[in-house]
Amino acid sequence: DTAVSQTPKYLVTQMGNDKSIKCEQNLGHDTMYWYKQDSKKFLKIMFSYNNKELIINETVPNRFSPKSPDKAHLNLHINSLELGDSAVYFCASSQTPGGGASGELFFGEGSRLTVL
Amino acid sequence: GQNIDQPTEMTATEGAIVQINCTYQTSGFNGLFWYQQHAGEAPTFLSYNVLDGLEEKGRFSSFLSRSKGYSYLLLKELQMKDSASYLCAVRGANAGKSTFGDGTTLTVKP
Repeated sequence: DTAVSQTPKYLVTQMGNDKSIKCEQNLGHDTMYWYKQDSKKFLKIMFSYNNKELIINETVPNRFSPKSPDKAHLNLHINSLELGDSAVYFCASSQTPGGGASGELFFGEGSRLTVL
Repeated sequence: GQNIDQPTEMTATEGAIVQINCTYQTSGFNGLFWYQQHAGEAPTFLSYNVLDGLEEKGRFSSFLSRSKGYSYLLLKELQMKDSASYLCAVRGANAGKSTFGDGTTLTVKP
């Protein structure tokens, strides 16, 4: 069983379209994240939810809207896609957001978004 | 804010030892993580340090000096499969947020 799974794995779309990426974790973790990894491999946090509540919201365009229907799921919807949105989007989860090794992140396989 | 520096690339020989350094400046400190990421794959957890000193886990060890804002990842008995990107991540004052360095791409040659 995959611990953190995200779909789709690959997404190719035109500028201006709207797309969603879904993420599910079966680890029983309370905290989930979206990270963006650009072509230079820089991994940057976008959002974090703890028990369905938004706790981290980095400086991300409001075209990006996360939604957590329950603590095992965190989805990412992107409106009006732009060329610069092309990247790999990683979902991750951790046992807690707090201190200790339990803050270790478990990553999904990534969703590679290409905007043409 | 947080500033994390690591070398961009390193090359080493199979069977050798390599040390990957990470220096950081943070407002608050709640731990430092090392992750390994093979090309086209997700990052996977390697180690965690929150107190000064060395943590050993098989062929991999990680060291932390909080006063110097410095950590290193030591890989012993290098294998070809260790060729990957190694990411240093620091958890700062906001304990829920880990900030990643740009990563060090390690190439292991025969």
